[in-house]
Amino acid sequence: ETGVTQSPTHLIKTRGQQVTLRCSSQSGHNTVSWYQQALGQGPQFIFQYYREEENGRGNFPPRFSGLQFPNYSSELNVNALELDDSALYLCASSLGQGWPEAFFGQGTRLTVV
Amino acid sequence: KQEVTQIPAALSVPEGENLVLNCSFTDSAIYNLQWFRQDPGKGLTSLLLIQSSQREQTSGRLNASLDKSSGRSTLYIAASQPGDSATYLCAPRGNTPLVFGKGTRLSVIA
Repeated sequence: ETGVTQSPTHLIKTRGQQVTLRCSSQSGHNTVSWYQQALGQGPQFIFQYYREEENGRGNFPPRFSGLQFPNYSSELNVNALELDDSALYLCASSLGQGWPEAFFGQGTRLTVV
Repeated sequence: KQEVTQIPAALSVPEGENLVLNCSFTDSAIYNLQWFRQDPGKGLTSLLLIQSSQREQTSGRLNASLDKSSGRSTLYIAASQPGDSATYLCAPRGNTPLVFGKGTRLSVIA
């Protein structure tokens, strides 16, 4: 049990809709990163937030956006959903910037139909 | 751009065997490397974090080694058990977030 919790655990959306995924970081952790994991692949970095500011982004289009709140919890928003957005979305928290150990939540399984 | 390869892609062994999982990465300018375990449809569980200044890190039946200059890490699992069945992922970290390989899917047969 890492202390990183994600909600919901599963959801199904229709192509073109919008979705919001949520992550509560481990107590005291001020950095949150989001990853997308397609079936049979390793996780791919989406973006990272440190103290409410985005400070790194992977190769994902602008319809993937996020927020980090003062309590360091975070949201991932995806607009105009596409079938290829179906994946396991993982949130990881860590303490500070640099290269600390990352702790992951259990993930949100998104299916787009 | 960092690229990570894990060999083998899948491995099936009888219970009790010692085994080695391999991870290679193309950019040796890393600060640390993390090994994770992932059960089907679940999140990642951190197993070991090995700093670039370290050669080895141990936790119970697990031992990870790191050879930064050659871009290689290995995860050694001693006396494997059916509960070790999972996908194992390695992720080096340089001046970028974690970069993952596709993992090694391990099945330990009782």
